[in-house]
Amino acid sequence: GENVEQHPSTLSVQEGDSAVIKCTYSDSASNYFPWYKQELGKRPQLIIDIRSNVGEKKDQRIAVTLNKTAKHFSLHITETQPEDSAVYFCAASIKRYSTLTFGKGTMLLVSP
Amino acid sequence: DAGITQSPRYKITETGRQVTLMCHQTWSHSYMFWYRQDLGHGLRLIYYSAAADITDKGEVPDGYVVSRSKTENFPLTLESATRSQTSVYFCASSASSKNTEAFFGQGTRLTVV
Repeated sequence: GENVEQHPSTLSVQEGDSAVIKCTYSDSASNYFPWYKQELGKRPQLIIDIRSNVGEKKDQRIAVTLNKTAKHFSLHITETQPEDSAVYFCAASIKRYSTLTFGKGTMLLVSP
Repeated sequence: DAGITQSPRYKITETGRQVTLMCHQTWSHSYMFWYRQDLGHGLRLIYYSAAADITDKGEVPDGYVVSRSKTENFPLTLESATRSQTSVYFCASSASSKNTEAFFGQGTRLTVV
């Protein structure tokens, strides 16, 4: 089955800095890559996603890049703010099954 | 906007007891999922369902049973709870198999003592 590796497990940055979280996947058939943000005690919520026919996608301060050849995808957050502090999960999905395989998460801490 | 709701939010049960976690969604989404979340493991898929009366195993199905007699409900039963099943359980739903967003319930924190 699919395996998703996520790094780093924790990331501390100063407010205003950029943060990058990286994931790799194993199954070349995966074609959908969402990112979820989970605040403490809350449910995971989708923040951005990318499909395999796109190399990059941006939404304000958040961007995701995908390298299908290397089976890498990354989340980039610019101008970080304290409210960005949360656990971020990457995931991969094979279309025909619709199930998501998640990475183990990255705890992002943004210090004022 | 009820969306997807889980009950109970918190549950303490004893080893060996049967316990059922409920999940209800109001969107008529075809797909529903059960994940467990444990420190160091992220979110792992237990079972999923593509439609009423269609269910399939995920990564960690042992010790769990699901059913889906109605599109909107997807209960998860622990037949004989063990301490290793202490976890936070999340139900999720998505509209179709075409890689659409999965929406999560608020979670159930289950403690097996």
